[in-house]
Amino acid sequence: NAGVTQTPKFRVLKTGQSMTLLCAQDMNHEYMYWYRQDPGMGLRLIHYSVGEGTTAKGEVPDGYNVSRLKKQNFLLGLESAAPSQTSVYFCASSYLSNQPQHFGDGTRLSIL
Amino acid sequence: AQSVTQLDSQVPVFEEAPVELRCNYSSSVSVYLFWYVQYPNQGLQLLLKYLSGSTLVKGINGFEAEFNKSQTSFHLRKPSVHISDTAEYFCAVSNQGGKLIFGQGTELSVKP
Repeated sequence: NAGVTQTPKFRVLKTGQSMTLLCAQDMNHEYMYWYRQDPGMGLRLIHYSVGEGTTAKGEVPDGYNVSRLKKQNFLLGLESAAPSQTSVYFCASSYLSNQPQHFGDGTRLSIL
Repeated sequence: AQSVTQLDSQVPVFEEAPVELRCNYSSSVSVYLFWYVQYPNQGLQLLLKYLSGSTLVKGINGFEAEFNKSQTSFHLRKPSVHISDTAEYFCAVSNQGGKLIFGQGTELSVKP
C-alpha cells in the first residue's frame, strides 16, 4: 500500500524560481494537508483541503498556493521561492477531521 | 486559540529505563490528542490517540499516554525503552475542525 506519496523527495531552487510539490494519496481520504517542519518549531500547517475542489489557509500560508482538482492529489506551489522557505515539507491526509492523519515521507527543499 | 507545549526538547535515557515525555495543551473546547513519532528522514507515524472514553490510552511499540483534563496534560510513557525508540516525538491537539496543532517536538535518545 502506497499511502501518501510525495514528489520530489529533494529539490534545490534559486531565489525567485517557482515549483510545485505533488502529494498523492490512495486511501480515498477527504482531508489533505500541507505542513512545513523547521528545527525547534514542530510542524506548522500551510494550507489544507476538506474535499475535492476546496482549499483553506492554515497557520503560515504566505508565499504558497495550493490546488485540489482531484480528490487524490493536493499540490503545493511556490510562486517565487525565498530562502525563508527552505524547509522540509510534509503532506498528510485523513478520512475525517478527527481521525489520525497519515503522512508522506517529506520533501526537502533548499532555496539558495 | 489552541497551543501545545512539550516541556522537554531533549530526553536522554539508558536502554531498559522508563521514560516520560511531557505534553501540555491549552484549549477552551473539547480536544482530540495525538502522539506521533518521527524516525530520521521519515514522515510522522501515529503512536496513539485520545478521542474520548478511557483516559489511559495504549499505543504501538509499548507506549501509553494518560489524558488529564484538569491539568490539561497528555504525557507519553514507556516502562522500558529500547535503542530502536530513539526518534523525535510530537504531541498534537485538534478540535472538531480537524486542524492539528503540533508541539515543538522532543528528541528521545536511548543509550546502551
